Amino acid sequence: QKEVEQNSGPLSVPEGAIASLNCTYSDRGSQSFFWYRQYSGKSPELIMSIYSNGDKEDGRFTAQLNKASQYVSLLIRDSQPSDSATYLCAVFGNEKLTFGTGTRLTIIP
Amino acid sequence: GAGVSQTPSNKVTEKGKYVELRCDPISGHTALYWYRQSLGQGPEFLIYFQGTGAADDSGLPNDRFFAVRPEGSVSTLKIQRTERGDSAVYLCASSNDRGRGYTFGSGTRLTVV
Repeated sequence: QKEVEQNSGPLSVPEGAIASLNCTYSDRGSQSFFWYRQYSGKSPELIMSIYSNGDKEDGRFTAQLNKASQYVSLLIRDSQPSDSATYLCAVFGNEKLTFGTGTRLTIIP
Repeated sequence: GAGVSQTPSNKVTEKGKYVELRCDPISGHTALYWYRQSLGQGPEFLIYFQGTGAADDSGLPNDRFFAVRPEGSVSTLKIQRTERGDSAVYLCASSNDRGRGYTFGSGTRLTVV
């Protein structure tokens, strides 16, 4: 079992709709959770962090964490073509970030 | 500096050669990480420095890979006897609070031919 699992996609969402990205992790001792956005040919960029159960909202982005289910999600409201990218889920534990393989998201105009 | 700087941005080398990849972290960041990312995969942990010492090198794939950070700032990842399977993007990241996420550099794309 991979430590951090994501559906690789591709996920296609119409412009203006809600994109929902999911991630599960195996280490119950994980302490903090992150979503990175990575455009093709670029390095990962931190867009959201979440540290406790529940929802955290930042603009059009909402991160959700459920430690009991070992589940993290990212919602993108009012999706824009510029949101088309690969989204990497990352989990901090044992002094380092462990990444999933990423979900490729395409917003269809 | 304002961001994490990695040089070179691209490196093409012949199989069997030695390469060095450089990372200059954000000023004041004590934690420095090296990751490797292959096409279609997420970044894979290689090594973590806290200050000058390697706190965790469990991700280095074999003894051809070595990294140093002699003054607690700039780090160099060294790969001996390169193999075609070493081809990937090598990412460096730094942080002043590891649990709060890292800032990545733009990466070095290594191609071994």
